[in-house]
Amino acid sequence: GQQLNQSPQSMFIQEGEDVSMNCTSSSIFNTWLWYKQDPGEGPVLLIALYKAGELTSNGRLTAQFGITRKDSFLNISASIPSDVGIYFCAGRNTGTGNQFYFGTGTSLTVIP
Amino acid sequence: GAGVSQSPSNKVTEKGKDVELRCDPISGHTALYWYRQRLGQGLEFLIYFQGNSAPDKSGLPSDRFSAERTGESVSTLTIQRTQQEDSAVYLCASSLAKLGRNTQYFGPGTRLLVL
Repeated sequence: GQQLNQSPQSMFIQEGEDVSMNCTSSSIFNTWLWYKQDPGEGPVLLIALYKAGELTSNGRLTAQFGITRKDSFLNISASIPSDVGIYFCAGRNTGTGNQFYFGTGTSLTVIP
Repeated sequence: GAGVSQSPSNKVTEKGKDVELRCDPISGHTALYWYRQRLGQGLEFLIYFQGNSAPDKSGLPSDRFSAERTGESVSTLTIQRTQQEDSAVYLCASSLAKLGRNTQYFGPGTRLLVL
């Protein structure tokens, strides 16, 4: 099935640094979701976006729905050790189907 | 609890045996999804249920895979004649499927190991 292009694939950062990751699609979406997955757990929803240009925050996390509707960005400010995990984006166009398409994930390591 | 639950949490089986995985969605969620996640990889869509509509089975990798859902409640994913390449985490998710607001909530997954 289709997978979104997510980058970077992995990141190693110092505690306190800001993090940016993004996701791109070859087709237009009307919903973008960002998830975090800890080892041995299911993905946990972080932020949901429903409108082009929308900028939404959840604590230190901020995500944006790209104007082109083909991309989305997730930023984490002032990273802390518990931010470690794998971050996935997911997108969907309800006009063309019911599937959510997932990115390949960004593995984040925070060095104390 | 109020979240999506899955059982068993872990399953070890022998090649060639059938396995059945269960998902209990969040109460009131009309949409239910199954995904497969191989070690270190992203999520692979398997099947989608929406209310009483015919399920979207486009992601099922072979005819050994099937899933059922009774109304808007429990779903079971069945893998027949398991193969070693079926080893993965199988994740279930549900959503309200309201127009324009379709966030998914995931269960903890079932870790399947085929020996």
